Order: sequence, then C-alpha cells, then structure tokens
Amino acid sequence: AQSVTQLDSHVSVSEGTPVLLRCNYSSSYSPSLFWYVQHPNKGLQLLLKYTSAATLVKGINGFEAEFKKSETSFHLTKPSAHMSDAAEYFCVVSPFYNQGGKLIFGQGTELSVKP
Amino acid sequence: GAGVSQSPSNKVTEKGKDVELRCDPISGHTALYWYRQSLGQGLEFLIYFQGNSAPDKSGLPSDRFSAERTGGSVSTLTIQRTQQEDSAVYLCASSQRGFGTSGETSTDTQYFGPGTRLTVL
Repeated sequence: AQSVTQLDSHVSVSEGTPVLLRCNYSSSYSPSLFWYVQHPNKGLQLLLKYTSAATLVKGINGFEAEFKKSETSFHLTKPSAHMSDAAEYFCVVSPFYNQGGKLIFGQGTELSVKP
Repeated sequence: GAGVSQSPSNKVTEKGKDVELRCDPISGHTALYWYRQSLGQGLEFLIYFQGNSAPDKSGLPSDRFSAERTGGSVSTLTIQRTQQEDSAVYLCASSQRGFGTSGETSTDTQYFGPGTRLTVL
C-alpha cells in the first residue's frame, strides 16, 4: 500500500530563518511526489513535483525538496522564511502504477512564521 | 487562462436532503478528480474520471455518493440522503492527460478548484 507521513503537524519559525517540513513515503513502485500548499480559505496550489528526472526539485517561492530513495524521504526546505509562507503544506504521493493517478495526501503540516 | 471552478462555494443543507456539487475543469483537461477534505480524515480521494468514464471509484464512501461527467467536461458529484458526517470541503481537480494515456511516465499535475464547503445540519 502507498502512504505518506508528515512527521510534524505544526512547525513554527521566525521570519528569515530556514524552513524544514519533513515527509516520508511508502510506495511499492517509483512514485511521483508532490508538495502542495493551502493558504487559509484558498485552494491547493502546487509547490513542486518529483518525477524521477532529478532528485533535487526546485519549486515556486524559493522552496525545494530532495528525493532520497534510501531514506524514503521527500523533505521540503526553504532557506529563508517569509511571513507570506504561513500556510498548511501537504506532502503527496501518487503511486502511479495500478492506482489511476490518484493523489494520496499526508495529514498536513501547518507552518507558522513569527515576525 | 481560467482555472478549475466549483459551485456552489458554500452549501448548507438539512440531514436527509440530496445535494449536487458542480465542477468545471480547465478547458482541454481530460482527467477529473474529486477529493474530500474533512477535519477528521484529512484529504481523501473519491473518484477519478478519464473522459466521461470513471475507471476508479474506489474512494466513494457509500452508495449515497455518485458522480457523473458529461461531454468530457463538467462533472457533478451527488450526495443522496445527506448525513452530518458528509460535512466537509469537496475539492475538484483536473489534469491534462490523466492516467493510462500514452507517453506518460509519471502522474500528471493536478490543478485544484477552490472547493465547495458542505455543511449538513
């Protein structure tokens, strides 16, 4: 079975400091992995996507994630947090093979950014 | 261009009533997905359409839930005899290719609509 675990339900950082949101996945096949962000009362927006082309994936707004197969991890990072980064972040796996392309979401990590 | 749109944005209904939720995907997108976001269950997959057919309905929680898609475009999610546990935000997403189309090597990016917040009293 495919699944994704976000290791922190809530992360709090100060503006200007690095952000690390942790994600581990389980998949029988080479998965597609995504990070989505959801701002309050807004829809889900794609931050970045891993599809096996490169293990370090760069996304929008300065975010990036590194796929580590040996650790089954896909952690999201940003060198310097901005107040506008405060939102909920979802790590998502799509097992692709035999699963119809549906997305399997983690439980989400709420990021707070303090001034 | 226009993104995925959903209507209504909010729906309040009484227990036992039927509701219909509508999704307009991005023009030209062949695949359409419904998800549900609730406090207790997080974000869950409901159903997937490729064109007008639904090869994956595995996420529909009960036979009170059904969905259809016509003309390869608009989709309607219908919940019959609503229950309080149906209260959630229902999200629709579309993607250009979907699954099983030729040439893909990874899951296509899905673009989400703003959702319909359903409250069952």
